[in-house]
Amino acid sequence: RKEVEQDPGPFNVPEGATVAFNCTYSNSASQSFFWYRQDCRKEPKLLMSVYSSGNEDGRFTAQLNRASQYISLLIRDSKLSDSATYLCVSAGGGADGLTFGKGTHLIIQP
Amino acid sequence: GAVVSQHPSRVICKSGTSVKIECRSLDFQATTMFWYRQFPKQSLMLMATSNEGSKATYEQGVEKDKFLINHASLTLSTLTVTSAHPEDSSFYICSARDKERGSYNEQFFGPGTRLTVL
Repeated sequence: RKEVEQDPGPFNVPEGATVAFNCTYSNSASQSFFWYRQDCRKEPKLLMSVYSSGNEDGRFTAQLNRASQYISLLIRDSKLSDSATYLCVSAGGGADGLTFGKGTHLIIQP
Repeated sequence: GAVVSQHPSRVICKSGTSVKIECRSLDFQATTMFWYRQFPKQSLMLMATSNEGSKATYEQGVEKDKFLINHASLTLSTLTVTSAHPEDSSFYICSARDKERGSYNEQFFGPGTRLTVL
C-alpha cells in the first residue's frame, strides 16, 4: 500500500511562532507533492506545491527531499487563522488520484 | 477560476435508500474527476477515478455495484450510493483535473457532501 505518513499532532503553538511539519512517503515513484489545508468539516484547499529546489510563498516554505522521501512545511510568524489541519499529499507513480496523509492538526493560540 | 461544485452539501437518509451526489466543474472541462471519502479523523481515501465517456476505475475494496459512478459530460460526474447503510455515513468529496492548466496532478476539490444514513 502506498502511503503518506504524518504526525497527527495536535501542535499547539503561540501566535507569532514558527512551526514546522514534515511527512514521509513510501512510493518512490511519486512525481508531485503538495501541501493542502483542511478546515473542520470543509474540503481541502491547495496551500502550495512542493519542489526539490524548495519553494516559498509568503510565510510558507516547502521542501522536498527525494532521497529521503521526506517533505516539509515551515510556517513563519504564525497567525490565528493558520489553525487548521495540514495534509501532505503525493501524486503520480502509478496512482491517478492523490494520496493523502492523515493530516497534522495545528492550533495557534493567542 | 477552477471552481468545482457539489450537490447536495448534506443529506440524511434512511437505511436502504439510494443517494445521488453530483459533482460539477463550473468554469473548466474536466476529463477526469475523482471521488474521495473521508471518515472522522481519517485521511481522504480515493474511491474511484472517473473518466468522461468511459467506465470508472475503482480502488481496491470499493464495491462498484454499490457506488455507481457516471461521468456523462466534461463537466458533470455523479456518484450514487445504492442501498445506503449507516456505515456508509461519511464525507464524500469530488475533485476534478483541469487538462488545460496547472500541473497534471493538480486537482480542484468540491465542497463535499456529508452523508448521514440513519
